[in-house]
Amino acid sequence: ETGVTQSPTHLIKTRGQQVTLRCSSQSGHNTVSWYQQALGQGPQFIFQYYREEENGRGNFPPRFSGLQFPNYSSELNVNALELDDSALYLCASSLRAGTNYGYTFGSGTRLTVV
Amino acid sequence: GENVEQHPSTLSVQEGDSAVIKCTYSDSASNYFPWYKQELGKGPQLIIDIRSNVGEKKDQRIAVTLNKTAKHFSLHITETQPEDSAVYFCAALRGNTNAGKSTFGDGTTLTVKP
Repeated sequence: ETGVTQSPTHLIKTRGQQVTLRCSSQSGHNTVSWYQQALGQGPQFIFQYYREEENGRGNFPPRFSGLQFPNYSSELNVNALELDDSALYLCASSLRAGTNYGYTFGSGTRLTVV
Repeated sequence: GENVEQHPSTLSVQEGDSAVIKCTYSDSASNYFPWYKQELGKGPQLIIDIRSNVGEKKDQRIAVTLNKTAKHFSLHITETQPEDSAVYFCAALRGNTNAGKSTFGDGTTLTVKP
């Protein structure tokens, strides 16, 4: 059973650019959530995808968007990057939405905006 | 929305001693409380969880207690070992919605001295 894999592991972008982060969910998991973790803080919920539809969103602006594909893998897109977007972006997959299952995190993508 | 506060932010113990980390939450509708361990360069890993219909849960050296009336829950690690050194996060979410929408505390950096 494979875990959650994220790519790339590290990324440096310039302010104003756009970035796409990728996540492959754990085998059998159909729900993917994205989190932003700033240095020294806990993860902050960005949004969740379930069966290719957005299924809840945290307090993030529309320039944060996502996709989920038929194989349940997912992308996080961030437009018009700002310096404050520098963070560790975590993807977590769970067995299915609507239930109290714990979820499996990937190791994250470290994004640095300069 | 939910607010989770976690204390202490740093904790240093001697190998073999016990460690206790405490969290409070604000949303009385929250009914699922996972704990995560995050090692350097990795994503958070679920170590134990508790649901609101249970007051205590134990798994070898790790235990979690929940006081629904006071809206706080705690992680207890006994017989600590150097490999327990990591950042620990508590989280809370409202059940039967989505496991991905957890609200996390800001983390506790645990250092176990040999």
